[in-house]
Formats: sequence, C-alpha cells, structure tokens
Amino acid sequence: AQSVAQPEDQVNVAEGNPLTVKCTYSVSGNPYLFWYVQYPNRGLQFLLKYITGDNLVKGSYGFEAEFNKSQTSFHLKKPSALVSDSALYFCAVRDMGRGGGNKLTFGTGTQLKVEL
Amino acid sequence: GAGVSQSPRYKVAKRGQDVALRCDPISGHVSLFWYQQALGQGPEFLTYFQNEAQLDKSGLPSDRFFAERPEGSVSTLKIQRTQQEDSAVYLCASSRYAESTDTQYFGPGTRLTVL
Repeated sequence: AQSVAQPEDQVNVAEGNPLTVKCTYSVSGNPYLFWYVQYPNRGLQFLLKYITGDNLVKGSYGFEAEFNKSQTSFHLKKPSALVSDSALYFCAVRDMGRGGGNKLTFGTGTQLKVEL
Repeated sequence: GAGVSQSPRYKVAKRGQDVALRCDPISGHVSLFWYQQALGQGPEFLTYFQNEAQLDKSGLPSDRFFAERPEGSVSTLKIQRTQQEDSAVYLCASSRYAESTDTQYFGPGTRLTVL
C-alpha cells in the first residue's frame, strides 16, 4: 500500500528566509509525487509534480521540490518565503506499482506560517 | 477557464437524512475523483470515474455512499441515512485524460455537517 508522511504539523519561518516542508513516501513501484496548497475554505491548488527525469522540479509561485529516491523524500522548498505563503500544504503520491490505480494518497498536511 | 465547481458549498443535515452533492468537472475532463477530508486530515480517496464508468470505488466507506456520473460529465455523490461520522469536506477533482501522470484539479469542496 502507498503512504505519505509529513512529519511536521507546523513550520514557522520569517519572511525572506528559505522554507522547507518535508515529505517522505512509501510505494511498491515507482512514485508519482505531487504538492498541493490549501487556503482556508478553499479546495486544493496544484503546485508541482514529479513524474520522471530531473530530480529538481520547479512549480508555481516560486516553489520547487527535490525528489530523492534513496531517501524516499520529496521536500518542498522556496528560497524566500512570503507572508502570503502561509497556508496548509499537502504532499501526495500515486503508486505506479501494481494495484496503485489512479488515486492520490495524501499526507496529513503541514501548516506553514510565515511571519514578518 | 472555469475550474471544478461543487454545490452546495455547505450542507447541514439531520442524522438519518439523505444528501446529494454535485460536482461539475472542468469541461472535457475524462477522469473524475471524489475525496473525503475530515477535520485536520488530508483528503482520502472515495471513488474514481473514467467518463461514465466507475472504475474504482474501493474508498467508499459503506453501502450508504453511492456515486454516479451517468453522462460522463457531472457527478453526484449521494449519502443515505447520514450519520455524524459522515461530517467532513467532500472534494471533487478532475483530470484531462485517464493517464496516471495527469494533474488532478480540485473544486472548493462541500462541507457537510451532520447534526
């Protein structure tokens, strides 16, 4: 079965500083990995995905993520945080192994708080 | 262009009532997904349609949950005899093709509260 772990419930960072939101995954086959952001009372907005190729993926709003197969991680990063980045971030995986299907399996989310 | 829309945005039901939640996917999207998001949790998969065919319903928690997409566009998630544990946000997502690499685009969700 596929699973995702987001070990931090909350991450606090000062505006202008770099941010990292951690994600590790477990799958039986090759993973497709996604990051979404959720603002209050709104649905999930797609940020970026890793399918294959370059391990560093660039996405919306200046975010990027690095796929590390040996550490089974897909951490979300941004070089300089903005107060407007404050939101709930979800990592998700689709297992391309047998029985994975098309569904996404999500982590429990990490609340990012960017302070002035 | 228009994104995924869901209605109603909020629904309050008395325990035992039936509810119907609607999802309008992005026009032309082949794949449609329903997820359930409990308070403080990540979304959990309920069911998946490819056009009008329901290919995966492994996440439906009980036979009180039923979903359909009869013409391959709009979908309805129906919950019969609602119970308090059904209180959650129900999210709909669609993707352009049936390819597993496709991005799923989510609607704003329907927040269901069962009293």
